Amino acid sequence: KAGVTQTPRYLIKTRGQQVTLSCSPISGHRSVSWYQQTPGQGLQFLFEYFSETQRNKGNFPGRFSGRQFSNSRSEMNVSTLELGDSALYLCASSPGGAGYEQYFGPGTRLTVT
Amino acid sequence: AQSVTQLGSHVSVSEGALVLLRCNYSSSVPPYLFWYVQYPNQGLQLLLKYTSAATLVKGINGFEAEFKKSETSFHLTKPSAHMSDAAEYFCAVTSPSGAGSYQLTFGKGTKLSVIP
Repeated sequence: KAGVTQTPRYLIKTRGQQVTLSCSPISGHRSVSWYQQTPGQGLQFLFEYFSETQRNKGNFPGRFSGRQFSNSRSEMNVSTLELGDSALYLCASSPGGAGYEQYFGPGTRLTVT
Repeated sequence: AQSVTQLGSHVSVSEGALVLLRCNYSSSVPPYLFWYVQYPNQGLQLLLKYTSAATLVKGINGFEAEFKKSETSFHLTKPSAHMSDAAEYFCAVTSPSGAGSYQLTFGKGTKLSVIP
């Protein structure tokens, strides 16, 4: 099976702009989670989608949003970018039940200038 | 709220020496525990997971971890370090977050250096 793919791999944006990141999960996986990784805060949970519904959300401002499509592909959007949004954004897919491991994509490196 | 503590942000070992990376968790319900590894400019790769079937869990690349409920620990070990083991290692715990969701909470990570 193909792994989790994320596009684009690298992005440079200017403060105030918005950005959309894409994630394609492993075939058959219905759960997609997003994480932000920074040197200072480490890995932080953003949100999880399962069958097109957001099931869980981390402690991030409303500028961070996401959605999931019927084919389980997911997008996350960050509006009004701030310098502090510079990070590696990781997407992970899972069958969705208790105890299932999450499989991570390579990430999108976002730099905000 | 659940949390994960990884003792030591940096660990250095000599090639061929024992690798021991420490992880303690706090969880009010029986946890699922994971160790992930991250190589530079890559995503996270699962090393092993604990799901209550056995307290000693064997993973990929010769790593294993032992779940000790009394100590709330899930330390990662490897008998003999290889140069290729140099990476950052993350311990994570997951438990129910409502609406059927299971959220991973990660430790801060431990960077492992292997000295030739």
